[in-house]
Formats: sequence, structure tokens, C-alpha cells
Amino acid sequence: DAGVIQSPRHEVTEMGQEVTLRCKPISGHNSLFWYRQTMMRGLELLIYFNNNVPIDDSGMPEDRFSAKMPNASFSTLKIQPSEPRDSAVYFCASRLITGQGRTGELFFGEGSRLTVL
Amino acid sequence: AQSVAQPEDQVNVAEGNPLTVKCTYSVSGNPYLFWYVQYPNRGLQFLLKYITGDNLVKGSYGFEAEFNKSQTSFHLKKPSALVSDSALYFCAVRDPTKGYNQGGKLIFGQGTELSVKP
Repeated sequence: DAGVIQSPRHEVTEMGQEVTLRCKPISGHNSLFWYRQTMMRGLELLIYFNNNVPIDDSGMPEDRFSAKMPNASFSTLKIQPSEPRDSAVYFCASRLITGQGRTGELFFGEGSRLTVL
Repeated sequence: AQSVAQPEDQVNVAEGNPLTVKCTYSVSGNPYLFWYVQYPNRGLQFLLKYITGDNLVKGSYGFEAEFNKSQTSFHLKKPSALVSDSALYFCAVRDPTKGYNQGGKLIFGQGTELSVKP
């Protein structure tokens, strides 16, 4: 089975440019997370969705960041305009929440490494 | 607010020796605790979780973790380390204020780099 698919795997851009990161969760999963990983700050939760609805976006750094989940099989994280301090690895993860009161573990994608020059 | 701490940035172990990677947590209510592993240039992989029941939880690759409520700890252990266990290990706690079927957010610790030498 395909896991969580992220694109691009690597992105190098210049300060001020718009960056769009994409994620396809595991088919059937109904909860999706965006995390950012840096050496200085570790793994930070940016935002998560349940059933395509944003539940908690308190980790989104500022208005330059936005995330959408237009349907169950696709999500984007956009940075506009990008800055050098946004350089990090961005991970998408998905999981299944069932109606029987069970929450499965998170499955992570391979990450998108962003470098803003 | 819930939080999780991994007091050691790095743990060094000789192959064949037992290993322990420490994790302590701070939550209101009953914690849901997890361990994940990250190999270089890869995403995180689930190892094991504690939700309820037996305090000793067994997971993938021979790892286990012991939930200790009085010490608010959830240390990861393995009886005999392998060189291939060298990786970055993350402890995580789920927000217990959300119902289990609502799926609260996972908060991760800073990670512990495990190095197993031959």
C-alpha cells in the first residue's frame, strides 16, 4: 500500500517567493497533520485536520503560512512570501479515527526539505 | 498544557548491551503516550503506544516501554541493542482533553539521538 506521499522532496527557492508543499494522505485516513522539523526547534506541530476540517492551527507561525485540505486525499501547505528562517523539513502525517472510539497511530511521509536563500 | 520531555540529547550504547531512552510527560488526565523512530532523511515511524492496561508495552523491532504513573515517565527500552537501532527517537503525548475518537493532537519531545557502536 502507498504511504503518505509528499511533494516536492526538495525545494530551493529565494526569499520572497511563494512555496507550496503537497501531501496525499493514506487512502481511508481521515486525520492529517503538518509538522515542521528544524535542529533548533525540533518537531513542531503546525496544523491538523479531522475530516478535512482544521481543528488546531495554533502552531502556524504567522500569516505567511496557510494550509488547506479541499478533500480527503489532498492537502497543501503554502508559504507566501517565504523567508530564510522558514528553511526546514516539513512533514505531513495521516491517521485513521474510527467511530468505535479508536485512534490509529500517525503515518509520516518522507518530508519536504525546504531551503530559502 | 500537555508536554513531553526527553532529558538526553544523545545516548551511546555498545552493541549487545541494554538501552534506555528516557521520556517524562506532563498532562492533565490520563496520558496517551507514543514512541516513534526516525532514520536519517526519513519520516518518523511508529514503534509503540500506551493507551491503557498493562504498564509494559511491547512494540516493533524488540522495543518495549514502561509506563510509570507515579514518576510520570514512559522510558523506551531494549534488552540488547543493535547497530541498526542507531536513529533519532521521539516520545509523544496525545492531548487527553479531546475525546479518544475525536483524535487530539500529538505533541513530540525534542528527540534523543541513539548511537549504538559495534
